[in-house]
This record gives sequence, structure tokens and C-alpha cells, in this order.
Amino acid sequence: GQQLNQSPQSMFIQEGEDVSMNCTSSSIFNTWLWYKQDPGEGPVLLIALYKAGELTSNGRLTAQFGITRKDSFLNISASIPSDVGIYFCAGPHNNAGNMLTFGGGTRLMVKP
Amino acid sequence: GAGVSQSPSNKVTEKGKDVELRCDPISGHTALYWYRQSLGQGLEFLIYFQGNSAPDKSGLPSDRFSAERTGGSVSTLTIQRTQQEDSAVYLCASSLDRSSDYGYTFGSGTRLTVV
Repeated sequence: GQQLNQSPQSMFIQEGEDVSMNCTSSSIFNTWLWYKQDPGEGPVLLIALYKAGELTSNGRLTAQFGITRKDSFLNISASIPSDVGIYFCAGPHNNAGNMLTFGGGTRLMVKP
Repeated sequence: GAGVSQSPSNKVTEKGKDVELRCDPISGHTALYWYRQSLGQGLEFLIYFQGNSAPDKSGLPSDRFSAERTGGSVSTLTIQRTQQEDSAVYLCASSLDRSSDYGYTFGSGTRLTVV
């Protein structure tokens, strides 16, 4: 079945540093989504990407939909303590309907 | 309601007992999803409802798991004869319909611990 592989699995960075994480798949996705999960909460949508090559920003977050449609990256600039959490990439399950397949997540820890 | 509400927020149960987890989606959201998140893992799809019907039950890990949704609103996920490997956070999400832009709204989850 479809699988999304995220790397790194975890990151421990200093406040103010930039962060980059990525997501790859063996199959093509038509949509890429990035979610953030705060401790004890459900994931919240950060950015949605709908077109290959698309680069989208949301504040300090920037995400790109890879040209091959098999990868995406998320960058966070000038990290702050509240960026702590788990970041998930997701894509439509079998590229149909709106059920999502999620990656394993990147756990981000920020040292003040 | 304003968001997706799940109850209980925490549940500790003895191995072999049955548990029921409840999800109250956002009013008007016709699609409802259950996911399972094991410790340190990603989200594993369990089941999807469109209205009261469940067109995709493929993610249910065994026949001990079942779910229903009545009145196109509240959903209950039932786990019978719980096992220790069932320990996880069970997340529910809802969205407007199949044509939505994947704008899932997740609840805060039910943390299930089987001892």
C-alpha cells in the first residue's frame, strides 16, 4: 500500500535556528499536506499543496510539492519554543476521496 | 459544537474488557474518520464514515474492532476483548464531505491504556 516516509524522525535544535524536514513516497501523490500535532492534541493542518512544483508559505513555514510528485519538504525559519511538536506529512489515500495516509512524523524539540 | 469532541480523554482498562470510544464531530460535517496513533508512531487509518455508512472499513485491525455512526453525527468505536497492543491514542476527525480540501478537524483523542 501507499507509504509516506518522513525524515528525520526527530530533531533537537536551538531556538532561532531554521529547520528542514521532508517526506517521500514510492508512489505519486496529487496532493501533499503538512500537519502539526501539539502534545496532547490532535493534528492541525498547516499547509496544503495541490500542484507539482508549488511552493507555499504560511508565516515562518514554507512547503514545496516536489516536481516528481513523490516528495515534499517543510521548512521552518527562525524556530521558537512553540514550534515544538510532531509534524506529519499526509496525502490522499490511494489518491481518491478525502481519506488521508499519514507519514510517521518528525518530532521537533526546540531548546530556548 | 465548535470542534470535534472525543470522550473519554483517557481510559485505562483491563485486558479482556470491552471499551467504547465516542466522537462528536463538528455540526454539519458529513465525513468522519477514526485513526490510531501508537506511541511514537504516525497515524494509522481505521475507518471512514460518509453520513451513517462506512464505505471503507479496510483499516480495522481485527474483528474485535467495530464502529458505528447514528444520525449522521456521533460515532462510537468499540474494541472488544481488549489486548495490550490496543494501547494507543485514538483520534477522530471530521470534514465537510468528499469534495472538501482535506480540511480535517481532529479531536484531542482518547488515550487508551490496556493493563
